[in-house]
Amino acid sequence: DADVTQTPRNRITKTGKRIMLECSQTKGHDRMYWYRQDPGLGLRLIYYSFDVKDINKGEISDGYSVSRQAQAKFSLSLESAIPNQTALYFCATSGRGALYNEQFFGPGTRLTVL
Amino acid sequence: TQLLEQSPQFLSIQEGENLTVYCNSSSVFSSLQWYRQEPGEGPVLLVTVVTGGEVKKLKRLTFQFGDARKDSSLHITAAQPGDTGLYLCAGGLGGNEKLTFGTGTRLTIIP
Repeated sequence: DADVTQTPRNRITKTGKRIMLECSQTKGHDRMYWYRQDPGLGLRLIYYSFDVKDINKGEISDGYSVSRQAQAKFSLSLESAIPNQTALYFCATSGRGALYNEQFFGPGTRLTVL
Repeated sequence: TQLLEQSPQFLSIQEGENLTVYCNSSSVFSSLQWYRQEPGEGPVLLVTVVTGGEVKKLKRLTFQFGDARKDSSLHITAAQPGDTGLYLCAGGLGGNEKLTFGTGTRLTIIP
């Protein structure tokens, strides 16, 4: 079984709709991250959380919100989706003991906003 | 904002050839990680380098961290089709827990 899972894997929605992407992990890691990937731009950090009561904005948080429901679950919401949020979204985790914050990624969610 | 530029952006070579891809920044990083991402999957960590001038080998892959810890290179010897993928570098700043990812090199090895 995968250590970091994301649902859904693919989603097509319309402008203005509310969308939630979910991430679950069985690695027992405290730190969780949401990234967005666009061609030629690498991975950009949206939000991150170091434990259940901790939420931090990344470099591109506008238009997104997150919820850390439990140590193992971290969800990303788009309150009102717009076409330029069409991208690949990745969840990642890192352990508290990771010396250099090495990260483990889920398989990604491909989101298309029409 | 720290930026990591990777070059080339795209590289397509024949099986058996050697290649080098680069990761450059104007910022100093305390550590540099390389990830490989295959289609339909998330990035997977290959290696972490932390000391200026450090060289690490992973089978046919050789990773080097620049002396000033601002750049890194990945050299692949005798490339194989299984090496095909998107290679991402990521820099860490020690006390800052976030990673800054590079723009990526998309490598295609032609059988």
